[in-house]
Amino acid sequence: AQSVTQPDIHITVSEGASLELRCNYSYGATPYLFWYVQSPGQGLQLLLKYFSGDTLVQGIKGFEAEFKRSQSSFNLRKPSVHWSDAAEYFCAVGGGGSYIPTFGRGTSLIVHP
Amino acid sequence: ETGVTQSPTHLIKTRGQQVTLRCSSQSGHNTVSWYQQALGQGPQFIFQYYREEENGRGNFPPRFSGLQFPNYSSELNVNALELDDSALYLCASSPTDSVGANVLTFGAGSRLTVL
Repeated sequence: AQSVTQPDIHITVSEGASLELRCNYSYGATPYLFWYVQSPGQGLQLLLKYFSGDTLVQGIKGFEAEFKRSQSSFNLRKPSVHWSDAAEYFCAVGGGGSYIPTFGRGTSLIVHP
Repeated sequence: ETGVTQSPTHLIKTRGQQVTLRCSSQSGHNTVSWYQQALGQGPQFIFQYYREEENGRGNFPPRFSGLQFPNYSSELNVNALELDDSALYLCASSPTDSVGANVLTFGAGSRLTVL
């Protein structure tokens, strides 16, 4: 069965600092990996996705993520965080054999001025 | 292109009642998935509909049921509501090609409170 672990429930950073949110997955074949963001009271918005090819993926809002097969990880990064990045971030895994992505429990990002 | 729209946005019910939530999928998408998101948790898969048939189901009891209509819109029905059913219910649509099928476009959700 596929699963996702986001080990950090909360992350606090100062505005302008760099950010890395951790995601580890379990999947029996080549995974499709996603990061979504959810602002308070809103649905989820896709930040970026990895299907194949270059393991460093660029997304919207200046985010990027790196797929590391040896570590079963897909960590999300941003070089300089803005106050508007404060939100809940969800990692998800899917694949060619399952059209039903599984989500992690999420990491809440708090940005201090 | 229009996105995914859900209604109602908020509703309050009492234990034992029934509720119907509605979802219109994004233009060009013919697969609809429903997720339950409890407070402080990630979305949990309820079921998926494709061509008006249930195409997969998560670990939810039969009192959670759904429909998909010919225009690809969908309903989620929950009978005999329990307090633990209080959550944000998210509808997501996706295309049917094997790669794109994994990419979900979410609505803003329906916030259900059960008293």
